[in-house]
Amino acid sequence: DVKVTQSSRYLVKRTGEKVFLECVQDMDHENMFWYRQDPGLGLRLIYFSYDVKMKEKGDIPEGYSVSREKKERFSLILESASTNQTSMYLCASSSTGELAKNIQYFGAGTRLSVL
Amino acid sequence: AQKITQTQPGMFVQEKEAVTLDCTYDTSDPSYGLFWYKQPSSGEMIFLIYQGSYDQQNATEGRYSLNFQKARKSANLVISASQLGDSAMYFCAMREFYGNNRLAFGKGNQVVVIP
Repeated sequence: DVKVTQSSRYLVKRTGEKVFLECVQDMDHENMFWYRQDPGLGLRLIYFSYDVKMKEKGDIPEGYSVSREKKERFSLILESASTNQTSMYLCASSSTGELAKNIQYFGAGTRLSVL
Repeated sequence: AQKITQTQPGMFVQEKEAVTLDCTYDTSDPSYGLFWYKQPSSGEMIFLIYQGSYDQQNATEGRYSLNFQKARKSANLVISASQLGDSAMYFCAMREFYGNNRLAFGKGNQVVVIP
């Protein structure tokens, strides 16, 4: 089975703190993604990566950065957390295989509260 | 412009009955994939079923089937013989061939199964 593991289920941070959200996948997937999910807004893509050290901005990259030093690990970084970054964060991974199929598999999510 | 539209309000369905969740999509890409995910209250996004734009037959996975009407650009999910564990949010998503592995998600449908 595909396993995507997010390091924390719940996280509480203070405004201005630097926050790291970690995601690890065990299926040798090339692609990894970070989303945030807010009520009424659905899932919005923050950043994604299609290879080690490669990254592309998604729809809402402001206030976030990412790091992919190893194929299995994709980190989301909040340089200076703000209250409007309180949200559910979901990591996903997919392979680059059969065109237009590439199912994304998700982790359990991290509920981040910034106080 | 919104690529995936899910407009049904929250639904209550009797256990053992079938339920249909509507999804319409918008794309000019001739090659694309459509996905349905389930998100229970625990938060994890669980992949359910996939339909490719060139697939001749409607996709089925156990109790899940996809009613794919390409000309109408709709991809409705049918859950047969509902179970209490089917209570969740359901998300429709699309990946376009030229979309760089990105998924566009709808805002979701809430389903509550009652005994």
